[in-house]
Amino acid sequence: DTAVSQTPKYLVTQMGNDKSIKCEQNLGHDTMYWYKQDSKKFLKIMFSYNNKELIINETVPNRFSPKSPDKAHLNLHINSLELGDSAVYFCASSQPGTGVSYEQYFGPGTRLTVT
Amino acid sequence: LAKTTQPISMDSYEGQEVNITCSHNNIATNDYITWYQQFPSQGPRFIIQGYKTKVTNEVASLFIPADRKSSTLSLPRVSLSDTAVYYCLGSEDRLAFGKGNQVVVIP
Repeated sequence: DTAVSQTPKYLVTQMGNDKSIKCEQNLGHDTMYWYKQDSKKFLKIMFSYNNKELIINETVPNRFSPKSPDKAHLNLHINSLELGDSAVYFCASSQPGTGVSYEQYFGPGTRLTVT
Repeated sequence: LAKTTQPISMDSYEGQEVNITCSHNNIATNDYITWYQQFPSQGPRFIIQGYKTKVTNEVASLFIPADRKSSTLSLPRVSLSDTAVYYCLGSEDRLAFGKGNQVVVIP
């Protein structure tokens, strides 16, 4: 069974459009994340949700709006897409604990291409 | 946030041991050090974690000196399938993956 899944895997769209990427985890984790990885492999956190509540928002343009209907899902909606939004977007989840670091489980990624 | 730095890229021949060192100049007392591996077209995956001294699992070894200002990931006898980007994180900057270290294994 897939632990963290994302849909779609590939997304090609034109500038100005609105699109959504969905993420689901079946690990029972409380915390979910969205990351953006650019063409130079720089992997940067965008958002983090814990039990459906936003806990991290890393200066991401407000065209990006995460939505968490329940703790197993974290979707990413992007309005008015721009060329610079082209990247691979990764969803991840983790289960915070005491002492040990938060091991994150990543989805397969969604490659977004804006033309 | 604690900040880690690591080299950008390195090549290695099959069968060699590969060591990647990461600096953790601002690591906090409670920070653990975690390493992730990312293959092309996949998401990063956890490979090893430690707090102090040496940790070994089926994939790699992790060496952390007493001052914990650095960590070294050791991949024994690499194969072509170990070609990947490797990221090091301290717990407090667990979300700052950065650019990672590209390891290319050459036949």
